[in-house]
Amino acid sequence: GQQLNQSPQSMFIQEGEDVSMNCTSSSIFNTWLWYKQDPGEGPVLLIALYKAGELTSNGRLTAQFGITRKDSFLNISASIPSDVGIYFCAGRIQGAQKLVFGQGTRLTINP
Amino acid sequence: DGGITQSPKYLFRKEGQNVTLSCEQNLNHDAMYWYRQDPGQGLRLIYYSQIVNDFQKGDIAEGYSVSREKKESFPLTVTSAQKNPTAFYLCASSILAGPYSYEQYFGPGTRLTVT
Repeated sequence: GQQLNQSPQSMFIQEGEDVSMNCTSSSIFNTWLWYKQDPGEGPVLLIALYKAGELTSNGRLTAQFGITRKDSFLNISASIPSDVGIYFCAGRIQGAQKLVFGQGTRLTINP
Repeated sequence: DGGITQSPKYLFRKEGQNVTLSCEQNLNHDAMYWYRQDPGQGLRLIYYSQIVNDFQKGDIAEGYSVSREKKESFPLTVTSAQKNPTAFYLCASSILAGPYSYEQYFGPGTRLTVT
């Protein structure tokens, strides 16, 4: 069953605004991944996190591995139209081999 | 360029027919995966393979079958036993071991419609 809670489910923002989304779980994770999916395409890996407290940036994107190891956050600064899409978190629970995926956050930007 | 290819992009079938989706990668990855994506849901794992001629069931394997005869190829067959086959199917691959082995890279997907 679903082990990751991703929020918000959707966001409607103005171009130039900052964006924040997160994933939480009751389980402890060893790995957090953030993906972006454009309509009709496969997800693209944005950021990978491997240590509690780790903060990693990829351009205007910044992701953090929560210190409790049960959550992760993704921030997008100064959003632009090409940021539109669905953002997924994925993680590996401690002791497991497979990834579990959040349900996604759909980002819509008004120009 | 290295990457994962899936073909075809769109596939239409009549109910009761088996259909095979292709997935090829030239990333030299050992592990390959098949996921199913339905609207508003996260990705659900169907099957995965870590080595040629071996594969394991994921969370929703019923009604699906796979083969792994070559390292580069991992085709998925959607059988007539799958009750609700219409979905977007994604193939992914990763290295097998080491700290980055959980970074999965996805193909462009195949949208299957069964009527």
